[in-house]
Amino acid sequence: QVQLQEWGPGLVKPSETLSLTCTVSGGSISGHYWSWIRQPPGKGLEWIGYVFYSGTANYNPSLKSRVAISVDMSTNQFYLNLSSVTAADTAVYYCATGYYSYYFDYWGQGTLVTVSS
Amino acid sequence: EIVLTQSPGTLSLSPGERATLSCRASQSVNSRYLAWYQQKPGQAPRLLIYGASSRATGIPDRFSGSGSGTDFTLTISRLEPEDFAVYYCQQYGSLPRTFGQGTKVDIK
Repeated sequence: QVQLQEWGPGLVKPSETLSLTCTVSGGSISGHYWSWIRQPPGKGLEWIGYVFYSGTANYNPSLKSRVAISVDMSTNQFYLNLSSVTAADTAVYYCATGYYSYYFDYWGQGTLVTVSS
Repeated sequence: EIVLTQSPGTLSLSPGERATLSCRASQSVNSRYLAWYQQKPGQAPRLLIYGASSRATGIPDRFSGSGSGTDFTLTISRLEPEDFAVYYCQQYGSLPRTFGQGTKVDIK
């Protein structure tokens, strides 16, 4: 079965770019949608966006001007870049997938990213 | 954007009791495209229900979902100790995908 693993820096400075990678194992990136979801400490879930294996992406309008999600079929990985971060971007970031881009039945374990100088 | 409002914020119950969680949408959710998740501390959410009432693989039948339009319900018929957690609803009838703010079910 599909397994997802996020990785990247745990600390990012304000105004810099947050970059995360999600490695997919047990299945192929091809033919599926891949999403990023985040959760600030003690708060609820926020959908960031998805990328289709072809590279087509869709983003939450609240983040659209700062976010880019991309995919690399050759490495079975997809990526999140969030620019101009502030403390409000401190959160656990999850990569996830499921039936199309609809709901999510496979999740990574999550990675905490703290924005602080 | 569809805003999902969950109630109550916290539900305090005892094992064996019935839990009824509500999720109300700011506009009609297309085709009952609503999911429910369970999240325990330090863990990723786990999909329980999709399509408003279909149980995900491996989910016990004490979990059931119902509703349509703007009003949806997750029912846990008899709470087991492992069911005490936070529950989120999520709509996928339109973009952006949105989640409710969560209902915490804790031990009375």
